[in-house]
Amino acid sequence: AQSVTQPDIHITVSEGASLELRCNYSYGATPYLFWYVQSPGQGLQLLLKYFSGDTLVQGIKGFEAEFKRSQSSFNLRKPSVHWSDAAEYFCAVDTGKLIFGQGTTLQVKP
Amino acid sequence: KAGVTQTPRYLIKTRGQQVTLSCSPISGHRSVSWYQQTPGQGLQFLFEYFSETQRNKGNFPGRFSGRQFSNSRSEMNVSTLELGDSALYLCASSLGGTSGGARDTQYFGPGTRLTVL
Repeated sequence: AQSVTQPDIHITVSEGASLELRCNYSYGATPYLFWYVQSPGQGLQLLLKYFSGDTLVQGIKGFEAEFKRSQSSFNLRKPSVHWSDAAEYFCAVDTGKLIFGQGTTLQVKP
Repeated sequence: KAGVTQTPRYLIKTRGQQVTLSCSPISGHRSVSWYQQTPGQGLQFLFEYFSETQRNKGNFPGRFSGRQFSNSRSEMNVSTLELGDSALYLCASSLGGTSGGARDTQYFGPGTRLTVL
C-alpha cells in the first residue's frame, strides 16, 4: 500500500541547533516527494520537492532534503533552526494524489 | 501572482445542514484538488478536478461532492453534515497536465475551517 510515515510526532530543538525530520515512504513506482510546512491556522506552504535528478534538493528558508531510494527515505534538514521555524511539517508522496504523513510538530526553544 | 484563495475562511453549521466551499486557483492552473484535515485522520485527499471533470477521487462518502467551472474555480459541497465533518478543508491548485494527477506541484490555499455543531 502507498503510505508515508513520519516517525516523530513531536520534536523540540534549541534555536541555532541543527534539525532533521524523518520521512519514509512506501510506493512502488518512482516517487515524487514533497515537504510542506503549516503554521497554526494556515494552509500548507511548499518547502521543497523531489522529482528526479540530484538526490539532494534545496528548498526555501534554508531547508534541504535528501532522497535515498535504498532506504525509502526523504529526510528534511536544516543546519541552524530559527524560532520562526516552529510549525508542523508534512512529508508527502504524489501517487496521482498527495498522500501525506501524519506530520511532525517542531518546537524551538530559545 | 495571487495565490490560491478559499472562501469563506470560517464556517459554523449544524448537523443535517449542507455547506458549499469555494476555491479560486492560481491564474493559469487548471487542476484543483481538495483535502480534509482533522487531528485524528490527518490530511486526506477528497477529489481532484481538471478541465471541469473529476479526475481522481478519495475514499469519502457521496455526501462530499464537488465541481469545477470553466474558469477553473472549484466548489466543494457537503450535504447532511455530521459532527465528524468538522475539519479544515484545504484546496490546492496545480498546472495539471495530460496524465491524471500529473507530477506537478500543488499549491495550497489557507483553508476553510468548518465547525459542525
